[in-house]
Amino acid sequence: QQQVKQSPQSLIVQKGGISIINCAYENTAFDYFPWYQQFPGKGPALLIAIRPDVSEKKEGRFTISFNKSAKQFSLHIMDSQPGDSATYFCAREHGSSNTGKLIFGQGTTLQVKP
Amino acid sequence: DAGVIQSPRHEVTEMGQEVTLRCKPISGHDYLFWYRQTMMRGLELLIYFNNNVPIDDSGMPEDRFSAKMPNASFSTLKIQPSEPRDSAVYFCASSPPSGRLGTDTQYFGPGTRLTVL
Repeated sequence: QQQVKQSPQSLIVQKGGISIINCAYENTAFDYFPWYQQFPGKGPALLIAIRPDVSEKKEGRFTISFNKSAKQFSLHIMDSQPGDSATYFCAREHGSSNTGKLIFGQGTTLQVKP
Repeated sequence: DAGVIQSPRHEVTEMGQEVTLRCKPISGHDYLFWYRQTMMRGLELLIYFNNNVPIDDSGMPEDRFSAKMPNASFSTLKIQPSEPRDSAVYFCASSPPSGRLGTDTQYFGPGTRLTVL
């Protein structure tokens, strides 16, 4: 199965710092790349998403950067806050047939220290 | 809207017993997904439905797992017989119909934490 490789597995950042999570994919036949945020004991929730016809999308402190030639996309959290401590998953739409199916990365556990 | 509802929230059972997990999707959503989350394997898609019809069950681990969606407001995931390696958090998610499939948010339920002893 085509994978999404996410790194790092865990990340510790000081309050106010920048958190960066990276994802790499294998096939260019996908055109929707969402990020989901999951707090302990909760289900994942959509945080931000991007389509590869743009190289960057920003929503508040969260920015997705997309590098189509490198087959990579990343999530940047500016001015990281303790409330951002959660697990973050990148994902990609599966296949080019618009099935609604997403394949998730392994997740990155972010801890923001006060 | 109450969001996606899952029951039970926690289930502890003995190996060999039948387990049934339940999901009520958000009203008006026509996609329903079942996921399993473990530390080792992350978030895995097991099966998904569109308009109550199973579309892709390639993620179902083996014949012990089965899923049904008898109507637009209810789905079940059944494990029979259960094994300790089935211990995980099982999530149900739903998403609305869209003219551009694959780009709609999936709304996850709170999950069912299953422990098989």
